[in-house]
Amino acid sequence: GQQLNQSPQSMFIQEGEDVSMNCTSSSIFNTWLWYKQDPGEGPVLLIALYKAGELTSNGRLTAQFGITRKDSFLNISASIPSDVGIYFCAGPGSSNTGKLIFGQGTTLQVKP
Amino acid sequence: KAGVTQTPRYLIKTRGQQVTLSCSPISGHRSVSWYQQTPGQGLQFLFEYFSETQRNKGNFPGRFSGRQFSNSRSEMNVSTLELGDSALYLCASSFQGGSKTGELFFGEGSRLTVL
Repeated sequence: GQQLNQSPQSMFIQEGEDVSMNCTSSSIFNTWLWYKQDPGEGPVLLIALYKAGELTSNGRLTAQFGITRKDSFLNISASIPSDVGIYFCAGPGSSNTGKLIFGQGTTLQVKP
Repeated sequence: KAGVTQTPRYLIKTRGQQVTLSCSPISGHRSVSWYQQTPGQGLQFLFEYFSETQRNKGNFPGRFSGRQFSNSRSEMNVSTLELGDSALYLCASSFQGGSKTGELFFGEGSRLTVL
């Protein structure tokens, strides 16, 4: 079945540093999504990408949809303590439905 | 508007028992999806209901079932609980499905512990 490989698994960085994480797939996705999960909460959508090559920003977050449609990356600039959490990439498991395939997640810790 | 509401937030059961979890989607949302989250397997899709019909099903045994009511509220049931069913069960709603807009709205989850 479809799988998403996300790296790194975890990151421990200093406040103010930039962060980069990526996601690769063995199959093509037509949509790439990045979610963040805070402790004790459900995931929240950060950025959605719908077109190969697309680069989208949301504040300090920037994500890109790879040209091959088999990868995506998420960058966070000038990290702050509230960036702490688990970041997931996801792609549709079925068109126009609520079925998503999630990566394993990248746990981010930020040291003030 | 109110977000996705899941009840109960925490529960403890013993092996062999059954459990029912409830999810109230955002008003106007017709799609409700359920996910299981564990440290080892991550976030895995259980099933999705749309307009009271199961539209998609993940690779879980038949002990996992669900339903959706006419008001879009959904329940999932796990029968004959096993230790490995201990997990955070997340419900997500959207207007018609997540992959078109990419946006699923998740609840805070129901944390199930099986002893």
